[in-house]
Amino acid sequence: DGGITQSPKYLFRKEGQNVTLSCEQNLNHDAMYWYRQDPGQGLRLIYYSQIVNDFQKGDIAEGYSVSREKKESFPLTVTSAQKNPTAFYLCATKLAGWGEQYFGPGTRLTVT
Amino acid sequence: GENVEQHPSTLSVQEGDSAVIKCTYSDSASNYFPWYKQELGKRPQLIIDIRSNVGEKKDQRIAVTLNKTAKHFSLHITETQPEDSAVYFCAASQPRSGSARQLTFGSGTQLTVLP
Repeated sequence: DGGITQSPKYLFRKEGQNVTLSCEQNLNHDAMYWYRQDPGQGLRLIYYSQIVNDFQKGDIAEGYSVSREKKESFPLTVTSAQKNPTAFYLCATKLAGWGEQYFGPGTRLTVT
Repeated sequence: GENVEQHPSTLSVQEGDSAVIKCTYSDSASNYFPWYKQELGKRPQLIIDIRSNVGEKKDQRIAVTLNKTAKHFSLHITETQPEDSAVYFCAASQPRSGSARQLTFGSGTQLTVLP
């Protein structure tokens, strides 16, 4: 919880611009995730990563990209190819095994 | 892949009454079922979870039941209080190697506790 930071809290961009959302954790968790949340819908998985330099597509990866160069960091880039990028983006982390997923505070992205 | 359906989408109860939220899942291999509470503008937080080797789990006013045969699980909140008002999400997870267990979430239930 307190060990996951997402910045900024609110982000505004013009259509056609790429934008990168930050997610940093000091929990020493191995796995990190990015979710997208739209009004009236559940959380949908964009990308996840088990270890450094490895990541996998989730259910809605099109138009997004990620990197995992450090264990503590898992930035998400929303590219201009994402057709409807306005949403609330949540980062989560988890220890190995049965551990709980902990969520960051989220970034609300508005693209106009 | 896994599909999780959650009902109802909205639920209003009087303070002190009980609330029940139900979820069904499609993948019989799913073996972990957490419930998250999300207050307006905040992050989701785990309130209770259950593994497939257990049929029921309680934590004070909150309980979760699991029926593996029917592939459904439910959240029960007793003696509801205004601070229970939030969106509740169920989720299901399948066993995978490594640390990155994936969760598939339901669409959420907006619970309103009326004073």
